[in-house]
Amino acid sequence: KNQVEQSPQSLIILEGKNCTLQCNYTVSPFSNLRWYKQDTGRGPVSLTIMTFSENTKSNGRYTATLDADTKQSSLHITASQLSDSASYICVVSTNQAGTALIFGKGTTLSVSS
Amino acid sequence: DAGVIQSPRHEVTEMGQEVTLRCKPISGHDYLFWYRQTMMRGLELLIYFNNNVPIDDSGMPEDRFSAKMPNASFSTLKIQPSEPRDSAVYFCASSPRGGAVGHNSTDTQYFGPGTRLTVL
Repeated sequence: KNQVEQSPQSLIILEGKNCTLQCNYTVSPFSNLRWYKQDTGRGPVSLTIMTFSENTKSNGRYTATLDADTKQSSLHITASQLSDSASYICVVSTNQAGTALIFGKGTTLSVSS
Repeated sequence: DAGVIQSPRHEVTEMGQEVTLRCKPISGHDYLFWYRQTMMRGLELLIYFNNNVPIDDSGMPEDRFSAKMPNASFSTLKIQPSEPRDSAVYFCASSPRGGAVGHNSTDTQYFGPGTRLTVL
């Protein structure tokens, strides 16, 4: 069964600290993996997109990694800011018809001062 | 560009009533997606269109749900009759070339602000 599992479910860190969010998937065949940031009350915004051949992708203070062999991805946030407080959603795309996008349930990050 | 526009932003209705959610995609985008988000199930893809044609509606939960895209600048998601378990935030998204649905595309999807639906 195609699944995307994210951990932790929630996380609280102090401003300025780094953190890493995890995404494990069992999706096959794999097309690509995306990380989205969703602020409260708003739609998700794309952070990174990685295909099978890519193992790292950065977007400012956000760095995503992908290990296609172990089917794991991580999102590392460096020098966190209050504005990083949001839900982070991992989405895996497959070429299999009818189940094109498989979503994780997200990690809720709270950055406190 | 104003981005993806959804209306209404909030909708409260009673069980059994018809609900229509509206979406205006970003001009020039060929793909349009409807999603539902709940605390229990997270984000779910309901249906998507390519050039106004429904491509995959396997995520539509029941026959009570229907979606149309009469032209490139407008889409609706209708629930008739509505039930309390339909309460959720419904998002519309658009992308220029597919946003990775069924392709090896790294195209980005742009989400609207969502419609929060409450069915009493």
